[in-house]
Amino acid sequence: EPEVTQTPSHQVTQMGQEVILRCVPISNHLYFYWYRQILGQKVEFLVSFYNNEISEKSEIFDDQFSVERPDGSNFTLKIRSTKLEDSAMYFCASSEDPSGSGGLNEQFFGPGTRLTVL
Amino acid sequence: EDQVTQSPEALRLQEGESSSLNCSYTVSGLRGLFWYRQDPGKGPEFLFTLYSAGEEKEKERLKATLTKKESFLHITAPKPEDSATYLCAVDYGQNFVFGPGTRLSVLP
Repeated sequence: EPEVTQTPSHQVTQMGQEVILRCVPISNHLYFYWYRQILGQKVEFLVSFYNNEISEKSEIFDDQFSVERPDGSNFTLKIRSTKLEDSAMYFCASSEDPSGSGGLNEQFFGPGTRLTVL
Repeated sequence: EDQVTQSPEALRLQEGESSSLNCSYTVSGLRGLFWYRQDPGKGPEFLFTLYSAGEEKEKERLKATLTKKESFLHITAPKPEDSATYLCAVDYGQNFVFGPGTRLSVLP
């Protein structure tokens, strides 16, 4: 069964450093998403991406964050200058593109990358 | 302020003891409501999408229903493997908002 994969599973970084989290969505999916979940808190939407551009983003997704689809398979989240409060589990998700529904379809989540900022 | 809440926060059931989880939302312009299951240390696993009031979806021991202000996830005769955190999420166009989840424990 196809699945979303994420690397690394755990990333430890120093405050102020840049990190890139990588995701390989399911191959025929066209919508991609990033979420984060701070330990013990709820899952928070960061950004959605379709047709090589951001389609929606939340207030959390400020200039510190960027997303990219550098090739036909990877989808990345870059955090430019990490802060202590960026420590969280980051989930990537993907979904198909059902015509006329704007990506409103079941999202398949990856296993997550645990980011620890020291 | 648009909001998604879930109750109860935690629920302990005996195996076979049916119950319901609630998801209430105050967002305007609902495009869809989603239910997910999340096991510890893993990503959410999709269960259902509901689009309009009155809609119902079923999958094995789970049944999801939707009204104009809330959704219920009914669990019939649960088994220990149903133990997980159940999340609801709402898409209202500008954003995709998750509730805090209900942590379900099913005891053998």
